[in-house]
Amino acid sequence: RKEVEQDPGPFNVPEGATVAFNCTYSNSASQSFFWYRQDCRKEPKLLMSVYSSGNEDGRFTAQLNRASQYISLLIRDSKLSDSATYLCVVSLSSNDYKLSFGAGTTVTVRA
Amino acid sequence: EAQVTQNPRYLITVTGKKLTVTCSQNMNHEYMSWYRQDPGLGLRQIYYSMNVEVTDKGDVPEGYKVSRKEKRNFPLILESPSPNQTSLYFCASRGWTGGAESNQPQHFGDGTRLSIL
Repeated sequence: RKEVEQDPGPFNVPEGATVAFNCTYSNSASQSFFWYRQDCRKEPKLLMSVYSSGNEDGRFTAQLNRASQYISLLIRDSKLSDSATYLCVVSLSSNDYKLSFGAGTTVTVRA
Repeated sequence: EAQVTQNPRYLITVTGKKLTVTCSQNMNHEYMSWYRQDPGLGLRQIYYSMNVEVTDKGDVPEGYKVSRKEKRNFPLILESPSPNQTSLYFCASRGWTGGAESNQPQHFGDGTRLSIL
């Protein structure tokens, strides 16, 4: 079983729509969680960290559910520029340098 | 400008011909790492280094070597490349400030697209 699993999508949504997707992780000891964004096989870039209480950054909301071992990302009022692959990243602890990446969820926002 | 620089960006070579992909960062980061990315598999960690002269295997180290003689550089060495090492490679670095929720994000290089024929 993969350490981090994501629905690959693609999620095709119209501009202005809300899109949400999850990522599950297998190691219950995981401590740090992130969402990264990757455009067209370019380098991944941090979108946001995911905190225990959940957090919001503009149109993006991340949630953590430790009981069910998943994190989620919700994008409100989708823009064309949100089209990308979103990578879920998990590490075992704050000082664990081994990060596990999901294969990514592709989102395509159409006009 | 803070950055991670990989070279070369693209390389086509043949089986068995030793190659090195360089990685350099200018942020004085302790931690550096190499990943490969293949369709459907996501990024998989090859090797990482927590500081100078400290390296450790990631999830897919077979066929690769690394060294960390200086803090800024972390080259990836393929002693005898094979076609199954054809992939997109990323180098990354990260600083460390302590605490579970102050874990700094990784900065990635632009990637090296490697084709082994």
